Amino acid sequence: GENVEQHPSTLSVQEGDSAVIKCTYSDSASNYFPWYKQELGKRPQLIIDIRSNVGEKKDQRIAVTLNKTAKHFSLHITETQPEDSAVYFCAASSDRMTFNKFYFGSGTKLNVKP
Amino acid sequence: DVKVTQSSRYLVKRTGEKVFLECVQDMDHENMFWYRQDPGLGLRLIYFSYDVKMKEKGDIPEGYSVSREKKERFSLILESASTNQTSMYLCASRRERYNSPLHFGNGTRLTVT
Repeated sequence: GENVEQHPSTLSVQEGDSAVIKCTYSDSASNYFPWYKQELGKRPQLIIDIRSNVGEKKDQRIAVTLNKTAKHFSLHITETQPEDSAVYFCAASSDRMTFNKFYFGSGTKLNVKP
Repeated sequence: DVKVTQSSRYLVKRTGEKVFLECVQDMDHENMFWYRQDPGLGLRLIYFSYDVKMKEKGDIPEGYSVSREKKERFSLILESASTNQTSMYLCASRRERYNSPLHFGNGTRLTVT
């Protein structure tokens, strides 16, 4: 099955700096890559996603890049703010499989220092 | 807005008890999932259901079973709770459509003593 690895496990940045979280996946059939943000005590919420026919997607201060050849994708947050502090999860999924299962990375705890 | 509701936020059970975790979604989603969340391990899939009365094992199904008698409700059952099942349990649902995302509930923090 699919294996998703996520790095780093913790990331501390100064407010206003950029943050980058990286994920790799193993199954070339994966073609959908969502990112979830989980604030303390709350549910994971989708913040951005990318499909395999696209190399980059941007939504205000958040961007995601995908390199299908190398099987890795990254989340970029620019001009970080204290409210960006949370745990971020990457995931990989494929609609070509019989059942569309989602495989998650182990999470990155982002701390934005004011 | 999609709403996925888990019946309990916190549960404390004793070893050997039978435990039911309930999840209800209000968006007529075909697919429903149960994940377990542990520090450093991310979200691991226990079971999922792609339709009423249909279920499939995920990556860590041992010690768990599920029930989906109605489309909106997906139950996770711990037949005989053990201390290593102390964890955060997250339910999710999605529409069975090309690359549609998961929508999560708020989670149930289960402690088995």
